[in-house]
Amino acid sequence: DIQLTQFPSSLSASVGDRVTITCRASQSISSRLAWYQQKVGKAPKLLIYWASSLQTGVPSRFSGSGSGTEFTLTITSLQPDDFATYYCQQYNGYFPWTFGQGTKVEIK
Amino acid sequence: QVQLVQSGAEVKKPGASVKVACKASGYSFTNSYMHWVRQAPGQGLEWLGIINPNGGSTTYRQSFQERITMTKDTSTNSVYMELSSLRSEDTAVYYCARGGANGDYFDHWGQGTLVTVSS
Repeated sequence: DIQLTQFPSSLSASVGDRVTITCRASQSISSRLAWYQQKVGKAPKLLIYWASSLQTGVPSRFSGSGSGTEFTLTITSLQPDDFATYYCQQYNGYFPWTFGQGTKVEIK
Repeated sequence: QVQLVQSGAEVKKPGASVKVACKASGYSFTNSYMHWVRQAPGQGLEWLGIINPNGGSTTYRQSFQERITMTKDTSTNSVYMELSSLRSEDTAVYYCARGGANGDYFDHWGQGTLVTVSS
């Protein structure tokens, strides 16, 4: 199975900060990576797919980049609604699809 | 708009089975794959398997191969996930999630169904 490692596992940030989360794959996955946001008690929500494509309706302060084994999710100017846990997910070739362990973004 | 509505919470005893339903609306049911993902309390996300509502073909995570079954009912636009031989470690929220354009990422999710396994 392809392993995804996210870092940091948690971070504290202030409203208006720029936040970057990294996801590293155990082998090359091309651009077959998605990012999700999950709030407590809610289902995950798709933010980014194909590593850098913004899902319809997601604010433009979210962006994704990377290919191969290293990917980043960037939130420019963090908003109060952005405090949540973020997961990366790979969908390269063979099942099982796998997720990173999550990054919790908390208020400083 | 796309909606996935799941059945309600379940409490089961070890060794029992549970069947979770997911009713889809707002799109052509047979045009998109459906996945099942679970999340144990305070833990991350785990992909369980996929079903193609057009025909019913399935692929399951290998570690669940022996005790998971996914089915579909096109007359009600619903998919189902049944997990047997339940153990305490199966306590989790189970989500159905629609596959994206190529069935790969998950563009819409159900609200989740809490399954509690306890004696």
